Amino acid sequence: AQTVTQSQPEMSVQEAETVTLSCTYDTSENNYYLFWYKQPPSRQMILVIRQEAYKQQNATENRFSVNFQKAAKSFSLKISDSQLGDTAMYFCAFSNYGGSQGNLIFGKGTKLSVKP
Amino acid sequence: ETGVTQTPRHLVMGMTNKKSLKCEQHLGHNAMYWYKQSAKKPLELMFVYSLEERVENNSVPSRFSPECPNSSHLFLHLHTLQPEDSALYLCASSQDSVGHSGNTIYFGEGSWLTVV
Repeated sequence: AQTVTQSQPEMSVQEAETVTLSCTYDTSENNYYLFWYKQPPSRQMILVIRQEAYKQQNATENRFSVNFQKAAKSFSLKISDSQLGDTAMYFCAFSNYGGSQGNLIFGKGTKLSVKP
Repeated sequence: ETGVTQTPRHLVMGMTNKKSLKCEQHLGHNAMYWYKQSAKKPLELMFVYSLEERVENNSVPSRFSPECPNSSHLFLHLHTLQPEDSALYLCASSQDSVGHSGNTIYFGEGSWLTVV
């Protein structure tokens, strides 16, 4: 069974600094998708970034980038120039390629606090 | 403004009550989902609907009964719940539920349920 592990329950960072959130996963599949979702205090889950396992190039979205290490089954999220609005829970998630849509497997989350 | 709206945002119900959670998506998607988010567990997928047909049911107790009358609306009917069912219930949608799993899943803001 696939599992997703986020080993940092809480992290904090100063505004404008860079922070990296860790995620590891376990799967025997070769093709899959990985996601980072953000859940601010409003509770709505928002997709931050996604990565296809068959792509070697790391995904980037503005200040957000990932370090995808397929062999190590690691998928960390780097937030550059942190802003107060980045304060939220961050969830790493995994989905099989071609599998039942919606069966995202989530980690337990990392609570990120950005301090002024 | 979110493309997935949930009502009510907060619900308190007794163990003998019958209530329903409602979800509506304005994105023209074909698939809709219910997730449960508890304090101490990762997000759990409960139900998946594709084109109004249920395609997955992750061993959810029968006291939770989903209904999908059309591709834009999804209900979760609640009956004789237990206090441990208190959680945030998230509705989500995506373009399709089969095939390439990389379709982005869009979440609503959730319905906070407290069972007393």
